[in-house]
Amino acid sequence: QKEVEQDPGPLSVPEGAIVSLNCTYSNSAFQYFMWYRQYSRKGPELLMYTYSSGNKEDGRFTAQVDKSSKYISLFIRDSQPSDSATYLCAFPGSSNTGKLIFGQGTTLQVKP
Amino acid sequence: ETGVTQTPRHLVMGMTNKKSLKCEQHLGHNAMYWYKQSAKKPLELMFVYSLEERVENNSVPSRFSPECPNSSHLFLHLHTLQPEDSALYLCASSQVAGTLYNEQFFGPGTRLTVL
Repeated sequence: QKEVEQDPGPLSVPEGAIVSLNCTYSNSAFQYFMWYRQYSRKGPELLMYTYSSGNKEDGRFTAQVDKSSKYISLFIRDSQPSDSATYLCAFPGSSNTGKLIFGQGTTLQVKP
Repeated sequence: ETGVTQTPRHLVMGMTNKKSLKCEQHLGHNAMYWYKQSAKKPLELMFVYSLEERVENNSVPSRFSPECPNSSHLFLHLHTLQPEDSALYLCASSQVAGTLYNEQFFGPGTRLTVL
């Protein structure tokens, strides 16, 4: 079983749609949950992070964690063409080295 | 320059060549990382340096040799690579490496093609 599972897509939606991106994980020791966004020909950049279960909102973005199901989600409201990117979930895997364990990434295209 | 820079942005090399990738961070961070990003695979951590000391080597073949001369610079020396080593190589930095929450800042990557 992979430590992190993420559907690679691609996911194509019309502008203004609500987008739901998801990851499942197997390691119950994960405490922080991160979403990175990677534009074409760029490196990933941190979009949001959450600690423990619950929701966190930042503008049009909402991160949701369900630790009991080992399931995290990123919701994008009123999606824009500028949201077209690959979204990667990430989990700190070690407190000693700062290692991050990434999902495969979901490629999102928002069509105008 | 700001953030994390990487050179070259693109590199094509033969299997017998020796080349080096360079990374520089302008953020005053103490930890630096090399990742490999292949198509349809998650980012794979290769090496971690904290205060210029290697703290993680993620079972990487010896044909990849990292070097961290100071906390701002990181190199990846390449020799006798295989075609399956073709990938995007990403460098990242963070404030420290020893905390559970650890935002990493990535460079744009070097697109490597091995012929």
